[in-house]
Amino acid sequence: NAGVTQTPKFQVLKTGQSMTLQCAQDMNHNSMYWYRQDPGMGLRLIYYSASEGTTDKGEVPNGYNVSRLNKREFSLRLESAAPSQTSVYFCASRKGEAPSYEQYFGPGTRLTVT
Amino acid sequence: AQKITQTQPGMFVQEKEAVTLDCTYDTSDQSYGLFWYKQPSSGEMIFLIYQGSYDEQNATEGRYSLNFQKARKSANLVISASQLGDSAMYFCAMAPKLMEYGNKLVFGAGTILRVKS
Repeated sequence: NAGVTQTPKFQVLKTGQSMTLQCAQDMNHNSMYWYRQDPGMGLRLIYYSASEGTTDKGEVPNGYNVSRLNKREFSLRLESAAPSQTSVYFCASRKGEAPSYEQYFGPGTRLTVT
Repeated sequence: AQKITQTQPGMFVQEKEAVTLDCTYDTSDQSYGLFWYKQPSSGEMIFLIYQGSYDEQNATEGRYSLNFQKARKSANLVISASQLGDSAMYFCAMAPKLMEYGNKLVFGAGTILRVKS
């Protein structure tokens, strides 16, 4: 039982390049999330997927797209990376049923855009 | 708007002593959840404890307890008998509209805790 896995762990991009961050969970959770964490700040929600087949914007969606490929996988795409997207990206999942309201997080992807 | 405030950027505590990390929140929802996460220097986010807005008793999980004061909109984390391994960043988070499908978390800015030997 691996929980939530993310690939890659580290990535360096040049401005304008594109990439996809991968996330998978093996806990049969319904909801999945992408957050970013910047220095001195808490996590901010980029996009989320309440259930397979649905996606919605969070607090900071500009410059990103997502795909809920199936119940297990939720990917985040940067179409044209910008230095402002340098951050640590966390994927999370949640069962969505009482009493399990907590979200489980992956190990994070540290992205640097030069 | 939903907001979490953690007023203590950094805290020090002596090993084996108790420490309280402050968290206040703002929401107009009646049903919400409050969470604490720990982020050690290795970077992962570790779930510690959860309190529902309708729970009458304060949540406890081992050495962690959540001091929930609904009228004051505060959800302070109390760590008893601090250990060196407790040194980390601690985040308070809120899930407004707890029962809503796909419910999202709103995070505070965090408090860095350092345990001294």
